[in-house]
Amino acid sequence: DAGVIQSPRHEVTEMGQEVTLRCKPISGHNSLFWYRQTMMRGLELLIYFNNNVPIDDSGMPEDRFSAKMPNASFSTLKIQPSEPRDSAVYFCASSSGPWGGYTFGSGTRLTVV
Amino acid sequence: AQTVTQSQPEMSVQEAETVTLSCTYDTSESDYYLFWYKQPPSRQMILVIRQEAYKQQNATENRFSVNFQKAAKSFSLKISDSQLGDAAMYFCAYGVYLNLNNAGNMLTFGGGTRLMVKP
Repeated sequence: DAGVIQSPRHEVTEMGQEVTLRCKPISGHNSLFWYRQTMMRGLELLIYFNNNVPIDDSGMPEDRFSAKMPNASFSTLKIQPSEPRDSAVYFCASSSGPWGGYTFGSGTRLTVV
Repeated sequence: AQTVTQSQPEMSVQEAETVTLSCTYDTSESDYYLFWYKQPPSRQMILVIRQEAYKQQNATENRFSVNFQKAAKSFSLKISDSQLGDAAMYFCAYGVYLNLNNAGNMLTFGGGTRLMVKP
């Protein structure tokens, strides 16, 4: 298995632009999580899906952030419009069952200038 | 709400020596799971070891072992025979079972401990 695949690995964009981050979870994992990591706030859970359905999006910072999971093999996190304070590493993780931890993707480092 | 606390922002250890990273958590649950993740400079999050709360025996994975004290809500990680490749951020995480169609754990992470290994 190729693991959790995230793209792009790095993204540099100008303030105000739309940014879309992508994630392909491990096949058979039915839970998917989006995290944001910054020096100041550490790892923050943004949203998670179970069987493609958003369960809790209380961690999404504001309406500029949205996430979708149209099928079991793909999820997106969109920021529109982006702001410099959105600069962070965004991780996607998937999970297979109640006793398992997460398998993380390699993360996307987003820089908004 | 569950919280996970790692009180040591940074630790250092001499190569080949042993180091212990501390972690405490707060929960009212009786059934849960605990994890240690390693994040090297490559930023990849790697699962190091996990412990199920109902198991009294401490988990061990090669040079990595834990000291799980359920009553004290403590979950420390011991790294024996430290190697240069162990240098990384280490995150402690607490997980509860999501009773939703066999969903995975919801993990709460501590703030991390940066481990430096001196040659």
